[in-house]
Amino acid sequence: GQNIDQPTEMTATEGAIVQINCTYQTSGFNGLFWYQQHAGEAPTFLSYNVLDGLEEKGRFSSFLSRSKGYSYLLLKELQMKDSASYLCAVRGSNYQLIWGAGTKLIIKP
Amino acid sequence: DSGVTQTPKHLITATGQRVTLRCSPRSGDLSVYWYQQSLDQGLQFLIQYYNGEERAKGNILERFSAQQFPDLHSELNLSSLELGDSALYFCASSASPGQAGANVLTFGAGSRLTVL
Repeated sequence: GQNIDQPTEMTATEGAIVQINCTYQTSGFNGLFWYQQHAGEAPTFLSYNVLDGLEEKGRFSSFLSRSKGYSYLLLKELQMKDSASYLCAVRGSNYQLIWGAGTKLIIKP
Repeated sequence: DSGVTQTPKHLITATGQRVTLRCSPRSGDLSVYWYQQSLDQGLQFLIQYYNGEERAKGNILERFSAQQFPDLHSELNLSSLELGDSALYFCASSASPGQAGANVLTFGAGSRLTVL
């Protein structure tokens, strides 16, 4: 079957760094996405990885290892507004997205 | 404003009733996706349309149906509503293959349905 795993909830401190992991088992691979979703709001696109390695975009970076079926989202210099759910999604062989359940990130002062 | 417009924002109705949710994609986007998100749950893919044709179907109940019209707006019809249908319903659109941003879904603000 196809499966995406990410931690249900994480807590971090304002100003710190947090890494949110995502492991996947899918039929084929055509890219991995990270989205941010504040409670009650729409998901918004953060990053897209299709090749192995690290993609950096400001305070956020995303890493992919296709051989390990693994990705992480790294958030630096955490701000209170980063409190949100972070969704990992993989595009499989049929080009449809398979979504993880999301990781709820709680930022404490 | 993401460019994807969903109406209504909120809807309260009773069990057994029927509702229609509407979505207008970003200008130029041909693909429309519908998702359901129950409280504290992940996104559940319902259905995708591309330029008026059904492209993919997910966990969509038989009581639910959708269509995409020639002007590319889409409607999701939910009938014989049950308490468990209470959720946020998101519409998303994406650019056509080969266009910039074709891989990325842009979501609307959602329609919150409450079934009493």
